[in-house]
Amino acid sequence: GNSVTQMEGPVTLSEEAFLTINCTYTATGYPSLFWYVQYPGEGLQLLLKATKADDKGSNKGFEATYRKETTSFHLEKGSVQVSDSAVYFCALNYNFNKFYFGSGTKLNVKP
Amino acid sequence: DTEVTQTPKHLVMGMTNKKSLKCEQHMGHRAMYWYKQKAKKPPELMFVYSYEKLSINESVPSRFSPECPNSSLLNLHLHALQPEDSALYLCASSLTGTGKEKLFFGSGTQLSVL
Repeated sequence: GNSVTQMEGPVTLSEEAFLTINCTYTATGYPSLFWYVQYPGEGLQLLLKATKADDKGSNKGFEATYRKETTSFHLEKGSVQVSDSAVYFCALNYNFNKFYFGSGTKLNVKP
Repeated sequence: DTEVTQTPKHLVMGMTNKKSLKCEQHMGHRAMYWYKQKAKKPPELMFVYSYEKLSINESVPSRFSPECPNSSLLNLHLHALQPEDSALYLCASSLTGTGKEKLFFGSGTQLSVL
């Protein structure tokens, strides 16, 4: 079946540290992959996406590369800010209308 | 306008009440979704409407009743809920619902059932 596995949080970093949040997936066929971010008390916002193997999605300094050989879509940022503190969800979309979300990873960035 | 608007933002209801959650988008999207999110958990899909027709019902109890009056509006009617139904209810939309599209989410309705 289709599923997404994310590293468990919370992840606590100091400002300007390097961030990696791991995400691996299981899917039949060739899904699109997404990272969504959720700030406290809000809905999810799309952070970036990639639709095929070797695509790199990027936005606001965040990057993730669709790796078919390792079935991964790890989220990275070179220098995190306090304002990046949020919950990050990895997701895949394969079968019309249906998104599969990972369990979410909470990021805390300390000044 | 790239927003999905949900009302109310907060709702407290008793187990015998009837209430409705509302969702609106004016992006011309033809697929609309209801998700339920418990604290510290990912969103769980409840219903999908595609071109105003219910296309997915994820075995949701009948005390939740969705309605899509037109392509811009999506309602979720609530009746005889249980305390375990307390959660953040998220509405989302996408362009056609035909796969590989991004979802646009509203800010959600935080529901408490007493």
